[in-house]
Amino acid sequence: TQLLEQSPQFLSIQEGENLTVYCNSSSVFSSLQWYRQEPGEGPVLLVTVVTGGEVKKLKRLTFQFGDARKDSSLHITAAQPGDTGLYLCAGARVGVGAQKLVFGQGTRLTINP
Amino acid sequence: DAGVIQSPRHEVTEMGQEVTLRCKPISGHNSLFWYRQTMMRGLELLIYFNNNVPIDDSGMPEDRFSAKMPNASFSTLKIQPSEPRDSAVYFCASSINRGKLFFGEGSRLTVL
Repeated sequence: TQLLEQSPQFLSIQEGENLTVYCNSSSVFSSLQWYRQEPGEGPVLLVTVVTGGEVKKLKRLTFQFGDARKDSSLHITAAQPGDTGLYLCAGARVGVGAQKLVFGQGTRLTINP
Repeated sequence: DAGVIQSPRHEVTEMGQEVTLRCKPISGHNSLFWYRQTMMRGLELLIYFNNNVPIDDSGMPEDRFSAKMPNASFSTLKIQPSEPRDSAVYFCASSINRGKLFFGEGSRLTVL
């Protein structure tokens, strides 16, 4: 059983469409991070959210932390082929420490030209 | 600037052999993490060091796994003896005071 469940696991859409990826848990997190990983490379941090209800934007990407700090979403507007990759959410559990991140299994996103 | 450097990038070995993976963290980073990534289990933290001292090794699967950090610029993850279920991509990551993680490109291990 994964502590962080990501959905969908796979998503293939056409360039220009919008999409949302979800990261859910029954646990409360002090912070939550989103990473993108490309084939043959390590994950790269996109954003960290720390406050319940927090919304952060990174160009066409919008990240939201749930009010109860148990879930998060990543919304991409007008997806482009360059957005293709594995998107991972990772959380620092309350009382465990920010260094022991728990990762979701990821959403593999493919944007078709 | 050089990122986290891992070697080898790929290793294929036979069951029972010893495997040593190497990592050079980013200069000035004082925290180092070893992760393992598989399709089934995703990314799992194996062990992390702070100022060269192992802080938490509770993620190390079993006694066959060991990790060392003899100095601030080098760490190893050793598997002895290796088993097919150890096949995975092993990532090293470093940070400053357990802040933002910077990952290496990974070492893909295949144990036959």
